[in-house]
Amino acid sequence: EAGVTQFPSHSVIEKGQTVTLRCDPISGHDNLYWYRRVMGKEIKFLLHFVKESKQDESGMPNNRFLAERTGGTYSTLKVQPAELEDSGVYFCASSQGNQREQFFGPGTRLTVL
Amino acid sequence: AQTVTQSQPEMSVQEAETVTLSCTYDTSESDYYLFWYKQPPSRQMILVIRQEAYKQQNATENRFSVNFQKAAKSFSLKISDSQLGDAAMYFCAYRSGNYGGSQGNLIFGKGTKLSVKP
Repeated sequence: EAGVTQFPSHSVIEKGQTVTLRCDPISGHDNLYWYRRVMGKEIKFLLHFVKESKQDESGMPNNRFLAERTGGTYSTLKVQPAELEDSGVYFCASSQGNQREQFFGPGTRLTVL
Repeated sequence: AQTVTQSQPEMSVQEAETVTLSCTYDTSESDYYLFWYKQPPSRQMILVIRQEAYKQQNATENRFSVNFQKAAKSFSLKISDSQLGDAAMYFCAYRSGNYGGSQGNLIFGKGTKLSVKP
């Protein structure tokens, strides 16, 4: 069974540019989560999808971040325009139903110069 | 709001010996789950062990065990017979037992970087 995959693994962009991160959850997992770890700090929750619906987006930092999960399969997280403080590692995780365990992807390391 | 604290940014252990990683948390909830995740260098995070708050018995997974002290809100991870492959970042995490809505997400500590010396 394929695990959670994320693309790209690394992204380096200039301040003001746009970047789109992609997450493919484990097949059949309705729950999809985005998290972010800024250097030296905790991994912080960004948002939670149940199928294609946003269940909770209380962790989204501001309106420069837009997440979508069309069709309830893969998800994208767009940052537009990117700022220096957006640098960090963005993790995606998925889980099935009320399953307690979340399975994590390898993360996308975003560097904004 | 719930918080998770890992007070040891880095730890080191000799191969074959035992090490304990500390984690404390703060919550007003009575129903919750606690997790230890491991992230090896350049690899993805995997679940090491899970503890349900309603269970008094400490969880154990092979060489990994926890010391769950609910009253003290402490959840330490003990790694016995440490191996080189145990070298990784270890994250302690909390999740509310009230699944659904905003409670499904994990709340993490800052992590502890464990080195294993041969």
